[in-house]
Amino acid sequence: KQEVTQIPAALSVPEGENLVLNCSFTDSAIYNLQWFRQDPGKGLTSLLLIQSSQREQTSGRLNASLDKSSGRSTLYIAASQPGDSATYLCAVTGGFKTIFGAGTRLFVKA
Amino acid sequence: DVKVTQSSRYLVKRTGEKVFLECVQDMDHENMFWYRQDPGLGLRLIYFSYDVKMKEKGDIPEGYSVSREKKERFSLILESASTNQTSMYLCASTMRQANYGYTFGSGTRLTVV
Repeated sequence: KQEVTQIPAALSVPEGENLVLNCSFTDSAIYNLQWFRQDPGKGLTSLLLIQSSQREQTSGRLNASLDKSSGRSTLYIAASQPGDSATYLCAVTGGFKTIFGAGTRLFVKA
Repeated sequence: DVKVTQSSRYLVKRTGEKVFLECVQDMDHENMFWYRQDPGLGLRLIYFSYDVKMKEKGDIPEGYSVSREKKERFSLILESASTNQTSMYLCASTMRQANYGYTFGSGTRLTVV
């Protein structure tokens, strides 16, 4: 049974810092891994999608990597800004199921 | 811009009422999903549908039903709302293979009083 873990649960950093969010999964037989952002009281916004055959994806200040053999993905945020404050969730799809992590709540201090 | 639209952002309903949550997508996606999100419990799958008129139970279907009469529309029905169904409800869709990832709606915050 796939389990997805995101550590830490919460993170506070000063503006301008580069940071890494982690997502771990137990079953490496996956189709893809997707990173989302969620603002309070809102839906999930897709940030990056990595297919199982890919190692990383980039969009602007965001870079997501995938290492299936170790069951890990990281989301790298460069030069963080207060507007990056949100909860970040990863979702792992394999077989006929998608499992979501509980998320990391990020606060970027101005 | 492709979209999943949930008809209401906020709803307040009384215990025992029948509640309809509507979701429409304009991406011609085959798969549609209803999740609920609660603090400490994360996202939990209620029902999903792989095609018109088809539905499958998710992890927590009790107290809910769904309807998919048209490809673009997936409705979640609370037959008799209860206070423990107070939650954030999220609709999502994907293409059949799910290789292109999920697109979520903006969510409906339902409060049952």
